[in-house]
Amino acid sequence: DAKTTQPPSMDCAEGRAANLPCNHSTISGNEYVYWYRQIHSQGPQYIIHGLKNNETNEMASLIITEDRKSSTLILPHATLRDTAVYYCINADSSYKLIFGSGTRLLVRP
Amino acid sequence: GAVVSQHPSWVICKSGTSVKIECRSLDFQATTMFWYRQFPKQSLMLMATSNEGSKATYEQGVEKDKFLINHASLTLSTLTVTSAHPEDSSFYICSAAALAGGQETQYFGPGTRLLVL
Repeated sequence: DAKTTQPPSMDCAEGRAANLPCNHSTISGNEYVYWYRQIHSQGPQYIIHGLKNNETNEMASLIITEDRKSSTLILPHATLRDTAVYYCINADSSYKLIFGSGTRLLVRP
Repeated sequence: GAVVSQHPSWVICKSGTSVKIECRSLDFQATTMFWYRQFPKQSLMLMATSNEGSKATYEQGVEKDKFLINHASLTLSTLTVTSAHPEDSSFYICSAAALAGGQETQYFGPGTRLLVL
């Protein structure tokens, strides 16, 4: 079973920031937080990952709380192409990813 | 970088036949590859973990004699669905592990849609 909890759906306006929350209260010390997204009928796309520090790349920012029990993925300027299911996953060095139900993000024009 | 391809992208076959799906890491070498399947309106389910040159490790409930995995090189893994039946119809997705930000990260292929008639 997935060890993370995400809201089933969210929406935001095009051009605005999308903030996707994730709870991982049982995360262990050696587990990373990974974010992937899956656009309809495609394979998942890697977005970002982190251990305890906040991370930023060309796609998104990842904010991890100090106690590491939750995190937020931020898409700073959402576009229509960001409409997808977003998965937050905890994984250790075994690389095994257990996908939950994710958050279905709808970006409105 | 970190591009993974799958072939074919879709396949239709008759019940009882076998189907082979290829997964390739195009611009990196992957010691570990993974196979998932996804049924409509469901999330991805890990089927097996494949390491180059060794036998695959299957998840509980996945029949290793039905889903044959071969990881012959650092850039190629194949999944063969033997004696396919309609209930095997699904979206099969592979991933390959590569180093990113000091941590092994999985990069996924585009998936193969299998329809068994």
